Amino acid sequence: AQSVTQPDIHITVSEGASLELRCNYSYGATPYLFWYVQSPGQGLQLLLKYFSGDTLVQGIKGFEAEFKRSQSSFNLRKPSVHWSDAAEYFCAVGEGGGGNKLTFGTGTQLKVEL
Amino acid sequence: DAGVIQSPRHEVTEMGQEVTLRCKPISGHDYLFWYRQTMMRGLELLIYFNNNVPIDDSGMPEDRFSAKMPNASFSTLKIQPSEPRDSAVYFCATARAPPYGYTFGSGTRLTVV
Repeated sequence: AQSVTQPDIHITVSEGASLELRCNYSYGATPYLFWYVQSPGQGLQLLLKYFSGDTLVQGIKGFEAEFKRSQSSFNLRKPSVHWSDAAEYFCAVGEGGGGNKLTFGTGTQLKVEL
Repeated sequence: DAGVIQSPRHEVTEMGQEVTLRCKPISGHDYLFWYRQTMMRGLELLIYFNNNVPIDDSGMPEDRFSAKMPNASFSTLKIQPSEPRDSAVYFCATARAPPYGYTFGSGTRLTVV
């Protein structure tokens, strides 16, 4: 069965600093990979997704992620964090027909210091 | 596009009562998913539908939980009887045919006392 590991439960960065959130997955075939963000009291919003092709994918709000098959990783990055980026971030891997059945990681809570 | 609409936003009920959560998907989205989110277990997939047909209900905790999708515009998740351990945020999410990602509703926060 597929699984997703987000090793960092909490991360704190200063505003303007760079950010990298880690995600490792376990899946037998070529994975469908996603990053979502959740603000307090809200549903999850899709940041970006990877299906195939270029291993560096761009998303909304200035985020990007790089798929590394050799490391089974799909880390999320942002060059300069804004205070409004404080939220919880979830990595997910898709299975089933076209990757629609998603398994989520446990999330990383991001705090941004001003 | 109004997005995925869930109701109610908050529900407080007493143990043993029946609870019904509702979801209106985005028009044209053929897949509908019900997730439960708790601090202890994170996001768990309960059940999902494709073209109104339940495809995988292996995540439904027990017989107290049931879900229906009578048409493309509406789905319900019912808990009968409810228990305190059912307290969680329940999300509905919908998606087009693969390989598109989900669009989540804002969730229903259920508290069973």
